[in-house]
Parts: sequence; C-alpha cells; structure tokens
Amino acid sequence: QVQLQQSGPGLVKPSETVSLTCNVYGGSISSYFWSWVRQPPGKGLEWIGYINSRGNTQYNPSFGSRVTISVDTSTNQVSLKLHFVTAADAAIYYCARERSAVVGNFFYYYGLDVWGQGTTVAVSS
Amino acid sequence: EIVMTQSPDSLAVSLGERATINCKSGQSVLHNSHYKNHLVWYQHKPGQPPKLLIYWASTRESGVPDRFSGSGSGTDFTLTISNVQAEDVAVYYCQQHFSAPYTFGQGTRLEIK
Repeated sequence: QVQLQQSGPGLVKPSETVSLTCNVYGGSISSYFWSWVRQPPGKGLEWIGYINSRGNTQYNPSFGSRVTISVDTSTNQVSLKLHFVTAADAAIYYCARERSAVVGNFFYYYGLDVWGQGTTVAVSS
Repeated sequence: EIVMTQSPDSLAVSLGERATINCKSGQSVLHNSHYKNHLVWYQHKPGQPPKLLIYWASTRESGVPDRFSGSGSGTDFTLTISNVQAEDVAVYYCQQHFSAPYTFGQGTRLEIK
C-alpha cells in the first residue's frame, strides 16, 4: 500500500521560498507522475503541476516561473519549491500520485489515486 | 485553459435521497483516439485529502460504494449519489485531464437536510 508522507515548514515569510517534500513509501516512484495540488483557505482545489520519474515536468502557467517540482528516485522523494510567495500562496498543499498508462499510442488517465496528508502553509512576516 | 463549472454550488438532501451534481467543461474532454473522457470526480472531506471516486467520467475507483455513479461525455457530466448517507457530507470536485493546466471545478458542497 503506497503512502505519501509530506513535510515542510508551516510558516514562510513573504518573498521567500517555500519548500515541501513528499516521501513515497511502500512503492516505487517510477512509472508514475506525481502532482502537487493546493487549496487556499475557503477556496477550491488548484493544480500546481506534475513530474515523472524521469524528471519531465508540466506546470500550471498561473504560477509563471515561481514553481519548481523535482524528483529524487534514490530517496523516493518528490519536492515542490514555490518562490517569491505572497499571502495569496497560503494554502494546504497536497502531493498526489497520478495513475495513468500508455497503451500503444494512447494515453489513459485514471486520476490522482493516492494523496499525502497535506501541509498547511501560512505566509506572514 | 479549460474552465470547469459545477452546479449547484451547494445542495442539501435528506438521508436516503439522491444527490445530483453537474460539471460542465469549456471544451470537450473526450479523447477521440480512444473515446475516453478525461474527467474525474473527487470527494473532499474536511481535514482529509481528496479521494478519487470516478475516472473516465463513469468508472468507479476500486472500493468506492456503488451508490456513487458518473455519467456524461464531451462537455457535460454528472455525479449521482444514490441513497445519500451521512458520511457522504463533503465537497465534490470534477477535474479535467484533457489539457494542461488540469483544472478543477469550483466544488459542490453536499449537506444533509
């Protein structure tokens, strides 16, 4: 049973970088995409981006160049860095495993099937 | 960006009744290559991470009770919860995975009347 354990600071100062980590236990990080999703207080879910085990990434353009997602297959760890944070970046941040498959020339998406527990990030000086 | 619009924003149903949540995408999320809709539904309870309920618009994730069902294709989708139970109180989100950014609907809050 794959489990995702998140860690990271709960408080970050404006204009600084928040760094969050997602450790993957009970399974391999390979063959999957790994996403980050956030939920600001009182708001809905927002997709931040994903990475696969080869390091290929796709980001939500709404974050511009502020976001970096990386993967370390040797430690089974996925990381999120969000630079130049503001109060609008205060949220619960989740990592999640994306289940998908390529069969022949076709890509099948099954959804985000395993999630971390979430990390609450506050932004304040 | 594909805009996902859910309706209603909230609804209250009696125990044992049916709840219907709609999701409309700004463009079709049906892959003509394999005729699968890249549309998923999640259940999100307070203090917990979201839970995958339905993928391909209508396929229930393993372990999800059969009172949850999804339907629709192209741009219009529905999540139906039959025989609503107290534990179904949550916010429900649709999400498209047809093109990045993979947008969510704004969420629909389900309460018990």
